[in-house]
Amino acid sequence: QITLKESGPTLVKPTQTLTLTCTFSGFSLSTSGVGVGWIRQPPGKALEWLAIIYWDDDKRYSPSLKNRVTITKDTSKNQVVLTMTNMDPVDTATYYCAHSITIPAYMDVWGKGTTVTVSS
Amino acid sequence: DIQMTQSPSTLSASVGDRVTITCRASQSISSWLAWYQQKPGKAPKLLIYKASSLESGVPSRFSGSGSGTEFTLTISSLQPDDFATYYCQHYNDYSWTFGQGTKVEIK
Repeated sequence: QITLKESGPTLVKPTQTLTLTCTFSGFSLSTSGVGVGWIRQPPGKALEWLAIIYWDDDKRYSPSLKNRVTITKDTSKNQVVLTMTNMDPVDTATYYCAHSITIPAYMDVWGKGTTVTVSS
Repeated sequence: DIQMTQSPSTLSASVGDRVTITCRASQSISSWLAWYQQKPGKAPKLLIYKASSLESGVPSRFSGSGSGTEFTLTISSLQPDDFATYYCQHYNDYSWTFGQGTKVEIK
């Protein structure tokens, strides 16, 4: 059974850097074709795709956030880390990580999400 | 960037109704489209991938169709558990874009 769980701070101040960790089980990020992505959802708004990292360390980023977002993986720990710099109140959202087994990647299993509020 | 536009934004329907949601892409995306269901406070759930392939475990009353720029999600007979928000998503090797969502409400 594939599971993913997001963790990180619930509150960050404007201009700070956000670091979120996705800890997963039931699959390996060293298996060919596997990817883990990050998606966010501001309160009452639509989903927004942020980034994805693949088994071969290939990475893709949302063009609108490319300069602020970094995605990395630690295969031995079964973790994927998302960092987002220069946080702003508009970045307040629920952040989800999700699994993919296909290329191109659609997200077939999602974590429950973690809520991040940006406020001074 | 490819834009995804869903219609309607809100849909009021009754149990047993046939429901259709449309998703249009700003340019051709072949069949690289997924549909997700999201309930309040929950993560999205994959329903359909590659425009018309039903994800394992998803009831057969859900179906997807289309290619190119126009796609539809159909629920053949709406059930109480189906009242939720539905999102389409374009995916390819370098970009992923969600539609703005369609909320299916009880009439």
